Amino acid sequence: EAGVAQSPRYKIIEKRQSVAFWCNPISGHATLYWYQQILGQGPKLLIQFQNNGVVDDSQLPKDRFSAERLKGVDSTLKIQPAKLEDSAVYLCASSPSSGGRVFEQFFGPGTRLTVL
Amino acid sequence: AQTVTQSQPEMSVQEAETVTLSCTYDTSESDYYLFWYKQPPSRQMILVIRQEAYKQQNATENRFSVNFQKAAKSFSLKISDSQLGDAAMYFCAYRSLGQEYGNKLVFGAGTILRVKS
Repeated sequence: EAGVAQSPRYKIIEKRQSVAFWCNPISGHATLYWYQQILGQGPKLLIQFQNNGVVDDSQLPKDRFSAERLKGVDSTLKIQPAKLEDSAVYLCASSPSSGGRVFEQFFGPGTRLTVL
Repeated sequence: AQTVTQSQPEMSVQEAETVTLSCTYDTSESDYYLFWYKQPPSRQMILVIRQEAYKQQNATENRFSVNFQKAAKSFSLKISDSQLGDAAMYFCAYRSLGQEYGNKLVFGAGTILRVKS
């Protein structure tokens, strides 16, 4: 089965610009996650979707970050305007809603964002 | 809130030898999952091994095994017969089963594993 797809792989922008990342989860996976991984740290959850509804966005900086998951499949994470501290790898993950691997998360390759 | 601590920022091992990576966690829950993920330079997070807290038996996956000490809240990863391809960042992660915490993963800060030939 195809894995979690993300694009772009790399993005460099100036501070105060906007940027968007795209994620396509594994087919049939109901739950989708966006994590932020700052260099030298473990990933931190930004937002979790169950189908197209938000389950947890408690750590999403809502003044500048937004995310949507249209039709319960693909998802887009946007930053507007970007700050220097947003430089990080943004990881998308998905998990199934049933079956023996329901407690596992499958990760995409991530997008490395550099804000200058 | 749950926390995960990896006290070893970096570890080195000689090829073909054994290395153990440490992880401790803090939780008030009795039921949960613990995971070890591997992140090579390509950044793709790969699941190495998982442990269900209700299981007393330690999980094993080929050369990878864990030492799960529930009372001590310790979850170490042992890699036997280390290979060059094992070099990566390793993350310990906790997943609650409680509804109030959703099913997000809480990660430690990671341990860089270097394998010497």
